[in-house]
Parts: sequence; structure tokens; C-alpha cells
Amino acid sequence: AQSVSQHNHHVILSEAASLELGCNYSYGGTVNLFWYVQYPGQHLQLLLKYFSGDPLVKGIKGFEAEFIKSKFSFNLRKPSVQWSDTAEYFCAVGPGGYNKLIFGAGTRLAVHP
Amino acid sequence: GAVVSQHPSRVICKSGTSVKIECRSLDFQATTMFWYRQFPKKSLMLMATSNEGSKATYEQGVEKDKFLINHASLTLSTLTVTSAHPEDSSFYICSAQRVREVGEQYFGPGTRLTVT
Repeated sequence: AQSVSQHNHHVILSEAASLELGCNYSYGGTVNLFWYVQYPGQHLQLLLKYFSGDPLVKGIKGFEAEFIKSKFSFNLRKPSVQWSDTAEYFCAVGPGGYNKLIFGAGTRLAVHP
Repeated sequence: GAVVSQHPSRVICKSGTSVKIECRSLDFQATTMFWYRQFPKKSLMLMATSNEGSKATYEQGVEKDKFLINHASLTLSTLTVTSAHPEDSSFYICSAQRVREVGEQYFGPGTRLTVT
């Protein structure tokens, strides 16, 4: 069965620290890859997406993610986090040819001033 | 653009009653809408895919007679939880996909259902 694994359930960082959130998926075919963010009390918003082309994708608010096909990974990174990045982050995979998304369990990030 | 709304945002109902949740795409047309359920501290679980003018496609393990989905127009899909039980209490989230835009989904704010 297709699945998405996010390694860190809860991450605590100080402001200006670097962030990397892991995401691995199990699906052998073509995939579309997404990172969504859910700020406290708000709905899910798209951070960035990968469909094809350059495997290093830049998103909003200084986030980027790298698709490594051989590792079935799509890790999210940010060089210097801010308090306002406190949120829950979800990795999602869309198996090629299908509309649906399969979500990881989410990573709750807390950034302390 | 690409705003999705849900109504109501919160609902409390008694066991055995039915509850309808609406999902609307406010500024775009959506051929496909999705319904998810989110358990506390867990991820979103896809319940069904709803295509305008046709029957919804339910994920394995989701009872189609319990969770009725109707996608009557390009801007509205409804989820009706029939004969609700306390175990149906959850956070229900819809998303919509723009016409001719494959892959990306725009999410609604969710509906908190509590069945007493």
C-alpha cells in the first residue's frame, strides 16, 4: 500500500536555527510531491510542490525541498526559522495519474524566540 | 484566489441524527472535491473523491451509506453523516481541485463534528 512517512512528530527549535523535516514515501511510479503547512487555527496551505524538472523546489516564506528519487524522499528545509514558522507541516504524495493525495502524519514545529 | 469554505465550522448533534456539511469553492470552479477526516494528533485520511455530476469514489473502509457525498455543481459538494454515532466525532476537511489543474488541492478550514 502507498504510504508517506514523516520521521519527526515534534520538533522544537530556537529562532535562527536551521530546519530539516524528513519525508519518505512508498510508491514506485511517478509522483507529485507537496508540503502543506497548517498554522494554529488556520486551514492547510500549500508551501511548495514538485511535479517535474529541477528536484530542488523553492516555496513560500524561504522554504525549499529536495526530491531525491533514489531515496524516495522529499525533505523540507529552511536555513533560519522564525517564531512565525510555528505550525504543523504535512508532506503529501500524489501518485501519478491519480488526483488523490496521501498525507504523512505531520510534524509539529515549535519555534521559541 | 482559490478560496474554499466549509459550513458549519462546528456542529454538535445527538446520536442517531444526520448532519450535513457543505464545501464551497468561492472563486473558482472545481470538477473534483475531496473529503478528509482528521483524527487528533494524526494525519488527514482521505474518505472519498467527489466529481461533479457523478457518484463519489470512496476509499477502502469508508461506508458510503453512512457518509453520503453529493457534488451537485462545480462549486459545491456536501457530506452528510447519517445516523451519527459518537465515534463519528472528528474534524472533517474538504479540498477542491481547479478545473484542468491536476494535482494541487485547496483546502477548506474544516468542520468539527461532535456527536453526543
